[in-house]
Amino acid sequence: AQKITQTQPGMFVQEKEAVTLDCTYDTSDQSYGLFWYKQPSSGEMIFLIYQGSYDEQNATEGRYSLNFQKARKSANLVISASQLGDSAMYFCAMREPPNAGGTSYGKLTFGQGTILTVHP
Amino acid sequence: NAGVTQTPKFQVLKTGQSMTLQCAQDMNHEYMSWYRQDPGMGLRLIHYSVGAGITDQGEVPNGYNVSRSTTEDFPLRLLSAAPSQTSVYFCASSYSGGQGGNTIYFGEGSWLTVV
Repeated sequence: AQKITQTQPGMFVQEKEAVTLDCTYDTSDQSYGLFWYKQPSSGEMIFLIYQGSYDEQNATEGRYSLNFQKARKSANLVISASQLGDSAMYFCAMREPPNAGGTSYGKLTFGQGTILTVHP
Repeated sequence: NAGVTQTPKFQVLKTGQSMTLQCAQDMNHEYMSWYRQDPGMGLRLIHYSVGAGITDQGEVPNGYNVSRSTTEDFPLRLLSAAPSQTSVYFCASSYSGGQGGNTIYFGEGSWLTVV
């Protein structure tokens, strides 16, 4: 069974500074995918970044980067130059591995989330 | 292209009532799923479907039914609502295939209160 752990219930950061949100995972599978989502107070789930288990380079999307350490089973999200609009709940999630036929679906296991507050 | 559409957005039910949360996608995705989100927790999988006519249970299926008669629609039925089903419900969809599970589309959520 897959498990995602986010140990930081809440984080605070000063505007324009960088912040790292922690995520560790547990799986016995070799092929998996890791996601980060942002959930603002309005409630929608916003996709931020994806990392495949076989990707050799850390994923980056604008101000977001994923610090992927496979041996440690960690997939931390780094937000550079924080903005007030970054204040939100952030979820780490893992996708179920492909089935025996190699088909991959979007079946996700989520962590409990981290509330990020950006101070001006 | 509307993406994933959920209705209703807000609903208040009395204990014992039944209702259906609707989910539709216009991207011809094979995979659709329902999650619930309770306060202070991440999303948990209720039911999912890998294609029309095929459904399966997730982590928290009790009290919910689903069916998938078309590729586009995946309704979630609450048979006899209980206060424990007060939650925010999200529908999601994605393609299958080698890279298909890498892009997952979420609806905007449905806020359900059972009194």
